[in-house]
Amino acid sequence: DVKVTQSSRYLVKRTGEKVFLECVQDMDHENMFWYRQDPGLGLRLIYFSYDVKMKEKGDIPEGYSVSREKKERFSLILESASTNQTSMYLCASSPHDRGLGNTIYFGEGSWLTVV
Amino acid sequence: AQKITQTQPGMFVQEKEAVTLDCTYDTSDPSYGLFWYKQPSSGEMIFLIYQGSYDQQNATEGRYSLNFQKARKSANLVISASQLGDSAMYFCAMRESNTNAGKSTFGDGTTLTVKP
Repeated sequence: DVKVTQSSRYLVKRTGEKVFLECVQDMDHENMFWYRQDPGLGLRLIYFSYDVKMKEKGDIPEGYSVSREKKERFSLILESASTNQTSMYLCASSPHDRGLGNTIYFGEGSWLTVV
Repeated sequence: AQKITQTQPGMFVQEKEAVTLDCTYDTSDPSYGLFWYKQPSSGEMIFLIYQGSYDQQNATEGRYSLNFQKARKSANLVISASQLGDSAMYFCAMRESNTNAGKSTFGDGTTLTVKP
């Protein structure tokens, strides 16, 4: 089974702190993604990476950065956390594109509260 | 315009009955894929079923089936013989042909509650 593991399930951070959310996948997938999930807004793509050291902005990259130094690991960084970044963050991965039916595999999510 | 619309924020169904979760989509791309995911309270999103725009038959996966009506641009999820474990949030998603897999568009979700 594909396993996408997010290191922290629940975090509470203070405004202005630098926050790292870590994600590891064990299926040698090329693509990795970070989403943000908020009630009534569905899932919104923050950043994605299609290879080591490669990244592309998603729909809402402001206030976030990412790092992919190894194929299996994709980190989301909040440079200076703000209260409007309180949310659920989902990491996902998928193999190299094999057509429209290429599904994505999600982690269990990280609930971040910024106070 | 929103690309994926799920008009039912919440749904209730009696255990063992069937339930339909609505999803309409908007695209001008003739080639696209439609997905349904389940998100239990634990948070993980679980892939349920996929339908390609050129598929002639409706997709089925066990108790899940996708009622695909291309002309109406709808892709409703049907869950037969509901179980208590089906209580979760369900997301409809679409991927257009010129996009990376992870750039699918997701709806806002429908919360399904199965009553004993």
